[in-house]
Amino acid sequence: EAGVVQSPRYKIIEKKQPVAFWCNPISGHNTLYWYLQNLGQGPELLIRYENEEAVDDSQLPKDRFSAERLKGVDSTLKIQPAELGDSAVYLCASSLGSGRGYEQYFGPGTRLTVT
Amino acid sequence: AQKVTQAQTEISVVEKEDVTLDCVYETRDTTYYLFWYKQPPSGELVFLIRRNSFDEQNEISGRYSWNFQKSTSSFNFTITASQVVDSAVYFCALSAPNFGNEKLTFGTGTRL
Repeated sequence: EAGVVQSPRYKIIEKKQPVAFWCNPISGHNTLYWYLQNLGQGPELLIRYENEEAVDDSQLPKDRFSAERLKGVDSTLKIQPAELGDSAVYLCASSLGSGRGYEQYFGPGTRLTVT
Repeated sequence: AQKVTQAQTEISVVEKEDVTLDCVYETRDTTYYLFWYKQPPSGELVFLIRRNSFDEQNEISGRYSWNFQKSTSSFNFTITASQVVDSAVYFCALSAPNFGNEKLTFGTGTRL
């Protein structure tokens, strides 16, 4: 069974430029998460989707970040414009569902460097 | 509010030694789930184990074992006869989905 797929793996951009990350979850997983991981820290949730609905986006900086999950499968996370402080690893995870502590499976992440 | 504390930032062990990684958690919820993840140098978080708050049985899987104690709010992870391939950052995490808090709250990790 294929795992969570993310692309690109690495991205270097200049500040004020836009950037987008793509995630394809494990087949059959209804719940999708985007996490942000800063160096030396644990991941922190940005947004959670149940199918195509964003049910928890309280930690998403909505002035510059946006996300979508069309058709309840693939998801895209966008930053516009990027700032130096956005340099981090962006992780996508998926799980069968929610409400019962389902384990989350993570993709390899996208390492973003903003110069 | 939920919190996970991994006080050991980094641990060095000699191959074949046993090592225990500590995890202390805080939550007001009576139903919650605890997890351990491994993050090797490649960067991908690998799921190791999940325990729910009603199951305090210790678990052993090969060289790995976990000790869950609600009385001390701890969920410690022991690697027996450590190997080079165990080198990674290990994260303890907590979720309490009954109150809509499905997100994983991670500790800061222990680098082994």
